[in-house]
This record gives sequence, C-alpha cells and structure tokens, in this order.
Amino acid sequence: NAGVMQNPRHLVRRRGQEARLRCSPMKGHSHVYWYRQLPEEGLKFMVYLQKENIIDESGMPKERFSAEFPKEGPSILRIQQVVRGDSAAYFCASSPTLGGDTEAFFGQGTRLTVV
Amino acid sequence: AQSVTQPDIHITVSEGASLELRCNYSYGATPYLFWYVQSPGQGLQLLLKYFSGDTLVQGIKGFEAEFKRSQSSFNLRKPSVHWSDAAEYFCAVGGSYNTDKLIFGTGTRLQVFP
Repeated sequence: NAGVMQNPRHLVRRRGQEARLRCSPMKGHSHVYWYRQLPEEGLKFMVYLQKENIIDESGMPKERFSAEFPKEGPSILRIQQVVRGDSAAYFCASSPTLGGDTEAFFGQGTRLTVV
Repeated sequence: AQSVTQPDIHITVSEGASLELRCNYSYGATPYLFWYVQSPGQGLQLLLKYFSGDTLVQGIKGFEAEFKRSQSSFNLRKPSVHWSDAAEYFCAVGGSYNTDKLIFGTGTRLQVFP
C-alpha cells in the first residue's frame, strides 16, 4: 500500500503564475488535509476535504487559494497569481475515518518556490 | 484558543545522552496528542500518539512520551540519543470527532554531536 503521494516534489513559479499541487491519498482513505509550512515554522492547517466536499477551509487564505478533491483522481491545491510569500512547503495528509483513534499519514510535501 | 507550545527552538545533545523535548498545549476538550519527526527535506513521520489510557506512551525508534493533564504537557523523551535522531520534532494536538485537523507547535530542532 503506497503512502500519500504528492507531486511535484519541487515546483518553481514566477510571480503571477499559477501553481497546482497534487495529492493522492493512501488507498482507502477518503479524508484529505492540506497544511502549509513556512520557513522556520510549524505546519499550519489550510483545508480539510472529503470526496467532492470541502469540510473545513478555515485555514485557507481568502483569495487566490482553492482546493478540490474530486470523485476520481487526486486532491488539488491551486494557487493563482502566486507571490513570493507563497513560497513554502505544502503537505498533504490523509486518513481513513473521522477523528477518534485514527491518525493522519503525511506525504513528503511539495516545496514551492516563487521567483 | 487551541495552541501548542514548544518552548525550545533548538537543542543540542551529545550522542548517547538522554533527551527531553517539551510540549505544552491548550485545548478545550480531551486532547489527542502526537509527536512527529521531520528530517531535512522530508515529510513527517509519526513517532507516537496518545488517545487515552496509559499516560506513558511508547513510540518508534526508542521514543516515549508522557501525558500530564495537570500540567497540560506531553514531553517527548529518549534515554540515549543516536546521531540519526538529528531532525526537527513537532508536537501536535487534535481531538474532535468531526475532524483529524491538527494544530502543530513550531518545532524543536535537535542537533546531535558525536
């Protein structure tokens, strides 16, 4: 059973371009979480999705950021018109069920650099 | 407000020495507590977790942590550190049955000298 797969591992974008980050959860996992790690900081929650539904987007910036988790295919975190401050590592995590004594498994992250 | 505090930004120990990384949390309900390790350029690996029961939790790689409700703490310990333990360590708290959303501390970077 492959782990959480994120691609690309590294992404370089010029200011104003769009960045698309993909996350394939572990097999059988229907809950996906996106976190952002700014340099020298911990991870900050961005959004929680289930298939075709955004459950909690309280950590998402109000503009330029969007996320989806379609019925088929990976979850996508999309950043439009990137700025230097978007440079960070973006981690995806997946879990099989809600809360309780489950754990979320993390991918290796996508490191976005905006130049 | 829910939060996690890791007071030590950077810790340096000698190989073979004991280690304790501090973690304090603020959470309105019964917390689920986690310790993750992150090697440079890598993702997060779960070391151990506490949900309920015995307050002393054993994890992988010889790590353990003790949940102390009265002190709102969940400190990570290892009796003898190996050079390969050099990494960033994150404490996290969650706990709602509606979500596995985690709140992370800012991390403690561990350096190990031979």
